Amino acid sequence: GAGVSQTPSNKVTEKGKYVELRCDPISGHTALYWYRQSLGQGPEFLIYFQGTGAADDSGLPNDRFFAVRPEGSVSTLKIQRTERGDSAVYLCASSLTGSNEQFFGPGTRLTVL
Amino acid sequence: GENVEQHPSTLSVQEGDSAVIKCTYSDSASNYFPWYKQELGKRPQLIIDIRSNVGEKKDQRIAVTLNKTAKHFSLHITETQPEDSAVYFCAALYGNKLVFGAGTILRVKS
Repeated sequence: GAGVSQTPSNKVTEKGKYVELRCDPISGHTALYWYRQSLGQGPEFLIYFQGTGAADDSGLPNDRFFAVRPEGSVSTLKIQRTERGDSAVYLCASSLTGSNEQFFGPGTRLTVL
Repeated sequence: GENVEQHPSTLSVQEGDSAVIKCTYSDSASNYFPWYKQELGKRPQLIIDIRSNVGEKKDQRIAVTLNKTAKHFSLHITETQPEDSAVYFCAALYGNKLVFGAGTILRVKS
């Protein structure tokens, strides 16, 4: 079946702009995760959804970052007033309830000029 | 705190040789340890995982061992092939989130 998909694959924006990144999880996966991967590093946790609710948002770096999952499927990560330090690959993953296995999407490469 | 250390940062081996990557974790409550392979510009791919109730797991040429007392786990790749070249990440599950090591660049020379 189809894996996790993310759009856009690349996003270039200017400092101070607002961006939205989209994640489509594997069908039937109730858990959804956002991670951020900087060059040469491992992914870093941002937020975890179980269904529609954010069960753990302890990884969001500040209040410029926000994520939603209104219908328990597609999720959108929103970044306000982007800064150059936000440049990274934003990865989404999903898993079945009760399973630890997280399957990743291809990521969105965000570049803030 | 939640921390995963991974070594080495780079590893070069001759085709056919074995490769070993080691990780340590800080929280004894962690009970799930996956390994991901990431090729350049691609998504992390889960290649093998281990839960804390077993000490070793094998899948063809790859194996993972876990020492809960010492809080470390290792990835073993035997009979390496050029297509094994990639970045490998270990991770430990803390609650519902994965905490990743910094990665190991594996180069298999033919």
